[in-house]
Amino acid sequence: DAKTTQPTSMDCAEGRAANLPCNHSTISGNEYVYWYRQIHSQGPQYIIHGLKNNETNEMASLIITEDRKSSTLILPHATLRDTAVYYCIVRVEGNAGNMLTFGGGTRLMVKP
Amino acid sequence: DAMVIQNPRYQVTQFGKPVTLSCSQTLNHNVMYWYQQKSSQAPKLLFHYYDKDFNNEADTPDNFQSRRPNTSFCFLDIRSPGLGDAAMYLCATSRDSWAYEQYFGPGTRLTVT
Repeated sequence: DAKTTQPTSMDCAEGRAANLPCNHSTISGNEYVYWYRQIHSQGPQYIIHGLKNNETNEMASLIITEDRKSSTLILPHATLRDTAVYYCIVRVEGNAGNMLTFGGGTRLMVKP
Repeated sequence: DAMVIQNPRYQVTQFGKPVTLSCSQTLNHNVMYWYQQKSSQAPKLLFHYYDKDFNNEADTPDNFQSRRPNTSFCFLDIRSPGLGDAAMYLCATSRDSWAYEQYFGPGTRLTVT
């Protein structure tokens, strides 16, 4: 699975959009981009994933550049409960065992 | 409503004393995973079961073993815990190998004294 690079930490004001970048310059054509988050003292939680088209669900939007070498997770109206570590992961869809390889992640702090 | 349950949430064991962590799921998922997460680090996969088939990660120490007696339950056994095994242990499930989402439990924090 391709490696990802994320900023170590970011701050965001409550109610504003949080834009979390991820670089995955060695991504292969059959690798998807996944985002998970981990709130303090909880297990990771799936947020969203995509291949090349932008995706949106009730939690967030995922914007993938045309060359697929980077992506941005957008939380449109961040709340204090969105404070967490956000992990960007790239992996082949349906690879045996569906393994997730977590990188360093971005620690997002939402401030009042 | 709990889907992936881990008990206990906090476990203290002595150096070298075997310990077992448990995980159960109400999702009827085929795949169950165990991750280790040390302080300020990302989760790291130890092994997983696809149904009854056990798959060990290459760098998982022999000190760690797992059992899955049925679909709902999975256990992590640490035969001789060392101080370096203190960590959060996370259990996760997925419907099958092709499912895109893993569901994680709240974790068990293991302290080794």
